[in-house]
Amino acid sequence: GENVEQHPSTLSVQEGDSAVIKCTYSDSASNYFPWYKQELGKRPQLIIDIRSNVGEKKDQRIAVTLNKTAKHFSLHITETQPEDSAVYFCAASKNTGGFKTIFGAGTRLFVKA
Amino acid sequence: EAGVTQFPSHSVIEKGQTVTLRCDPISGHDNLYWYRRVMGKEIKFLLHFVKESKQDESGMPNNRFLAERTGGTYSTLKVQPAELEDSGVYFCASSQDLRDRAAFFGQGTRLTVV
Repeated sequence: GENVEQHPSTLSVQEGDSAVIKCTYSDSASNYFPWYKQELGKRPQLIIDIRSNVGEKKDQRIAVTLNKTAKHFSLHITETQPEDSAVYFCAASKNTGGFKTIFGAGTRLFVKA
Repeated sequence: EAGVTQFPSHSVIEKGQTVTLRCDPISGHDNLYWYRRVMGKEIKFLLHFVKESKQDESGMPNNRFLAERTGGTYSTLKVQPAELEDSGVYFCASSQDLRDRAAFFGQGTRLTVV
């Protein structure tokens, strides 16, 4: 069935370092890839997304890359700050056969001051 | 603009009881989704409404789960009878544009079945 694998499950970095979270998806028809950030006790919030017609997208300190051939996509956070500490979820969806979004299991990011 | 609102925020019920979760999407959002996260695992899709119609309910675990969206506004998700494995956080999300699959999430309802 459709699934999204996300790694690592936990990531600890020093403030100012970069953090990279990687995901792979199984359904080659997937064409929309959002990333969500969930801070402790809060709702998941969309932080960036990428569509299949684009290979890379950047928004300030965060960037996403997509390799459709390998079915990989990644989130890159540069110059990490303590407020970046949260659980990050990658996801994949398609616009055929329904619009459900398949999520990864999440990465708990700790940024140490 | 008010966000997606879910009620209650927490619910503790005994096995065999019934629980109804409610989701109020962002006004004007035709698309409403229910998801569930169990024990730190992935957020799993349950179903998708477009207005009052069920577009995709392939993620519903079994017939103990019933979702409704009468009038195409708020939605309810009823679990009857609840089992221990139903414990988890139930999220609702809504979007206006189908290109934004599930852009706005509610804060979730933490359901504990004991």
